[in-house]
Amino acid sequence: ELKVEQNPLFLSMQEGKNYTIYCNYSTTSDRLYWYRQDPGKSLESLFVLLSNGAVKQEGRLMASLDTKARLSTLHITAAVHDLSATYFCAVEGDSNYQLIWGAGTKLIIKP
Amino acid sequence: DTGVSQNPRHKITKRGQNVTFRCDPISEHNRLYWYRQTLGQGPEFLTYFQNEAQLEKSRLLSDRFSAERPKGSFSTLEIQRTEQGDSAMYLCATSGTLWTGDLGYGYTFGSGTRLTVV
Repeated sequence: ELKVEQNPLFLSMQEGKNYTIYCNYSTTSDRLYWYRQDPGKSLESLFVLLSNGAVKQEGRLMASLDTKARLSTLHITAAVHDLSATYFCAVEGDSNYQLIWGAGTKLIIKP
Repeated sequence: DTGVSQNPRHKITKRGQNVTFRCDPISEHNRLYWYRQTLGQGPEFLTYFQNEAQLEKSRLLSDRFSAERPKGSFSTLEIQRTEQGDSAMYLCATSGTLWTGDLGYGYTFGSGTRLTVV
């Protein structure tokens, strides 16, 4: 059974600092998604990582995928308050009809 | 259309009542998914349609839950005899079946229906 673990589950940081969120998954998959969710809102797609070694960047966020280690990272550079949200990773299983989700990382960025 | 539309946005119901939610997909997307999300957790898969065919149901989907997608367009999720444990955000997502380069299958989520059972 495919399981996805994120850590940390909660992160409070100061503006201007860098940090990394980790996403580990338990079985082979080469399709991993990162989403952002604001309180009471739906899920906004951030990145789709489709192969080993894939790296994508958008603004202050950069995501990478290591399929051999079954690990994805979401790196935040010089954090700003607007990035405060909950970040989820999700892995597509072999069946490709469902995403298996991590529990999310609640990120609070203080001015 | 520009996205996945879900109605209602919020629903408060008394325990034991039936509720129905609707999802209108992106018109080009023939795959439709229902997920449930409780506070502080990631979404959990409930069921999946390709066109009008319901191809998979999670064991989370008890006999009180039923989903339909007539004619492969909009979908409804009905919960009968609601229980307090059904309180959650119900999310609809759609995707295509063709791998779309950088976007994978292009999952797009609606805004969700928040159900509160009192």
